[in-house]
Amino acid sequence: DAGITQSPRHKVTETGTPVTLRCHQTENHRYMYWYRQDPGHGLRLIHYSYGVKDTDKGEVSDGYSVSRSKTEDFLLTLESATSSQTSVYFCAISEDRTYGYTFGSGTRLTVV
Amino acid sequence: GENVEQHPSTLSVQEGDSAVIKCTYSDSASNYFPWYKQELGKRPQLIIDIRSNVGEKKDQRIAVTLNKTAKHFSLHITETQPEDSAVYFCAATGTYKYIFGTGTRLKVLA
Repeated sequence: DAGITQSPRHKVTETGTPVTLRCHQTENHRYMYWYRQDPGHGLRLIHYSYGVKDTDKGEVSDGYSVSRSKTEDFLLTLESATSSQTSVYFCAISEDRTYGYTFGSGTRLTVV
Repeated sequence: GENVEQHPSTLSVQEGDSAVIKCTYSDSASNYFPWYKQELGKRPQLIIDIRSNVGEKKDQRIAVTLNKTAKHFSLHITETQPEDSAVYFCAATGTYKYIFGTGTRLKVLA
């Protein structure tokens, strides 16, 4: 579907556990992004990547890390999940920063 | 820092009327301005975009206008239909990434 898939689609995890979300693309796009979406906050950038092994922080990066060892995969890790990280997480890809994004279907994460 | 302000946060219109959503950006180097529509429970999807060398762009019932001098851009939806009900996000390019507005919830009343 649109060359981008996120997994898992839903996850419930306990406070303090590590969690990894995966974003996989088949478009060979250079740019990949992780956003979280919460009511009243819109889309907030967590981390982004502008190439293999090239990543940088967004506006809400505390408690999150990312890795991109291949063009097609961008992993988001919550090092020690907290209830404040309960959210919907979207991955997005882009051919270039001045092109439209294609978003994945999202991962609904609940931390209990 | 880089910022995009979007207004209004909610907008209700009667079916068939027009809707206008406005965004203001702060980075004068921004040169690409996309708009996304997000239906309830779905992913955001690109509906229209405009580049800084163009003042207006239309696609059927939707149009976007850009005023670089004032650093604002607007989404116009004409002849609104119930399926236009969604949250709309504007964005402007910053360094390596977009800056998104906070979204406008559009309700089209039948």
